[in-house]
Amino acid sequence: QKEVEQNSGPLSVPEGAIASLNCTYSDRGSQSFFWYRQYSGKSPELIMFIYSNGDKEDGRFTAQLNKASQYVSLLIRDSQPSDSATYLCAVRVGGSNYKLTFGKGTLLTVNP
Amino acid sequence: DARVTQTPRDKVTEMGQEVTMRCQPILGHNTVFWYRQTMMQGLELLAYFRNRAPLDDSGMPKDRFSAEMPDATLATLKIQPSEPRDSAVYFCASGLPPGQDYEQYFGPGTRLTVT
Repeated sequence: QKEVEQNSGPLSVPEGAIASLNCTYSDRGSQSFFWYRQYSGKSPELIMFIYSNGDKEDGRFTAQLNKASQYVSLLIRDSQPSDSATYLCAVRVGGSNYKLTFGKGTLLTVNP
Repeated sequence: DARVTQTPRDKVTEMGQEVTMRCQPILGHNTVFWYRQTMMQGLELLAYFRNRAPLDDSGMPKDRFSAEMPDATLATLKIQPSEPRDSAVYFCASGLPPGQDYEQYFGPGTRLTVT
């Protein structure tokens, strides 16, 4: 049973629209949640992390966390073609646990 | 510009051969991770180290894979013997202990093809 689930997509949105990426996780002890972006042929890079329920905004990106529903999402406002990439959700159980468990990722395509 | 480095970037080998991948973590980072990425399975953790000691290698097929950190500036992942199903991109990542700004920094990866 996969611990972190994402819709594989592809998700296609027009330029300027809001892209919504979703992720669910199975371990209720999870404490830290991360969104990584991976361009084709490149390595993952961190976009945002969130620890507390609610929203966290950073520029055009907003992460949303609902621990009761075991759900985390990433909203990208004013989507740009340069946002086209695979977005990976990652979860850390917490404490001294260093391990991140990744979802398989959602491929986002922003059409000009 | 601190970054994780990995060598080789690409490796093509024949089934049964030994493969060694190397990683230099960011100076000062005391946790090192080895991941494997395939289309089917996504990004999977193989093993990770803290202060050069292995903490978890449960994701690694132990009959053919081994991971070591001979010193703080070098981590290695070996496959012997290699098999076609080992074909994947192998990423090394490094980081500091979990905290408010915990992040794993990924290297560029080694693309392994076993024929």
